[in-house]
Amino acid sequence: GQQLNQSPQSMFIQEGEDVSMNCTSSSIFNTWLWYKQDPGEGPVLLIALYKAGELTSNGRLTAQFGITRKDSFLNISASIPSDVGIYFCAGPSYGTASKLTFGTGTRLQVTL
Amino acid sequence: NAGVTQTPKFQVLKTGQSMTLQCAQDMNHEYMSWYRQDPGMGLRLIHYSVGAGITDQGEVPNGYNVSRSTTEDFPLRLLSAAPSQTSVYFCASSWGQSSYNEQFFGPGTRLTVL
Repeated sequence: GQQLNQSPQSMFIQEGEDVSMNCTSSSIFNTWLWYKQDPGEGPVLLIALYKAGELTSNGRLTAQFGITRKDSFLNISASIPSDVGIYFCAGPSYGTASKLTFGTGTRLQVTL
Repeated sequence: NAGVTQTPKFQVLKTGQSMTLQCAQDMNHEYMSWYRQDPGMGLRLIHYSVGAGITDQGEVPNGYNVSRSTTEDFPLRLLSAAPSQTSVYFCASSWGQSSYNEQFFGPGTRLTVL
């Protein structure tokens, strides 16, 4: 099946730093979603991207739909302790809008 | 609104036992899905449903059954538990019939199979 690879796998940053992470696929996606999972909880949708080249912000978060349609990027500015968690990219599997493929996740730790 | 609820929160089974993980939503969502989450592998889709009476397989359906007799409920049955099914299970729901609409996740069920 399709695979979404995320990098880095984990990050340790200091409060106030900016964060960048990305997601790459071997095949084209028409939609990119970014979810965040707090420790012990289910994922929550942060940002949805529907068009190649699209840049969308949600507060301190900014995500971009790559021009090749095979990648997406998420940036977090001025990180705070509550940014701790796992960030997943996701997209509908090829050929069907009914199945979502999730990336492997980027675990973010923020130190004071 | 309770959103998506899952029971139980934790469960320990012995190999070969069967059980049902419960999932319910009160948002009148058509789309419901089950995922399992294993370390380093993200979430993988087990089964999904686009409406009452309609279910289909996801990426890792073997060893699991589902049914959708009502809009609200989407139980996941483990037929004969195996250690490889030790995982955290999440149920999710969304409006419409597409997986790329915002999915609302339950709090998860942590299952251990000995």
